[in-house]
Amino acid sequence: GENVEQHPSTLSVQEGDSAVIKCTYSDSASNYFPWYKQELGKRPQLIIDIRSNVGEKKDQRIAVTLNKTAKHFSLHITETQPEDSAVYFCAAGGYQKVTFGIGTKLQVIP
Amino acid sequence: EAGVVQSPRYKIIEKKQPVAFWCNPISGHNTLYWYRQNLGQGPELLIRYENEEAVDDSQLPKDRFSAERLKGVDSTLKIQPAELGDSAVYLCASSRLAGEGEQYFGPGTRLTVT
Repeated sequence: GENVEQHPSTLSVQEGDSAVIKCTYSDSASNYFPWYKQELGKRPQLIIDIRSNVGEKKDQRIAVTLNKTAKHFSLHITETQPEDSAVYFCAAGGYQKVTFGIGTKLQVIP
Repeated sequence: EAGVVQSPRYKIIEKKQPVAFWCNPISGHNTLYWYRQNLGQGPELLIRYENEEAVDDSQLPKDRFSAERLKGVDSTLKIQPAELGDSAVYLCASSRLAGEGEQYFGPGTRLTVT
């Protein structure tokens, strides 16, 4: 089955700086890579996803990149704000099933 | 549209007792997932339904866990008997079978086994 590794496990940045979270996956058949944000005590929510036919996708301050050859993908958050503080999960798989990473706790320091 | 509904939100039981969780997915979502999320970890899939059929239950500990999704809508997940290691948040999620992959999560049930 799919195995997803995510790092770092914790990340602290100053407000306004950028944050980068990286993930690797093992199954070359995976073609769908979503990112979920989970605020403390709340449910995970999709913030952005990318499919294997594109290498990069951007939505305002959030961008994801995918390198299928190397089997890794990354989340980039620019101009971080305190409300970006949360746990971020990457995932990899197909449209109906994904495997999640262990999460990255992002703390944005005002 | 209404979100995924789960109940109860919290449950505290003693070990060896049974417990059940209920999930109502978003209307029209054919695929339903049950995940377990341990503290500091990502969600781990327990079982996935497409309509009323369990299509992936390879990670479900079948000696003590069971699930059902009658009529392809609501679902229940049961643990009997519960063990200390079952303490976790149990998340239900749903998605469209022919959709583009986004899973919508419920608020979860936090289970504490003492």
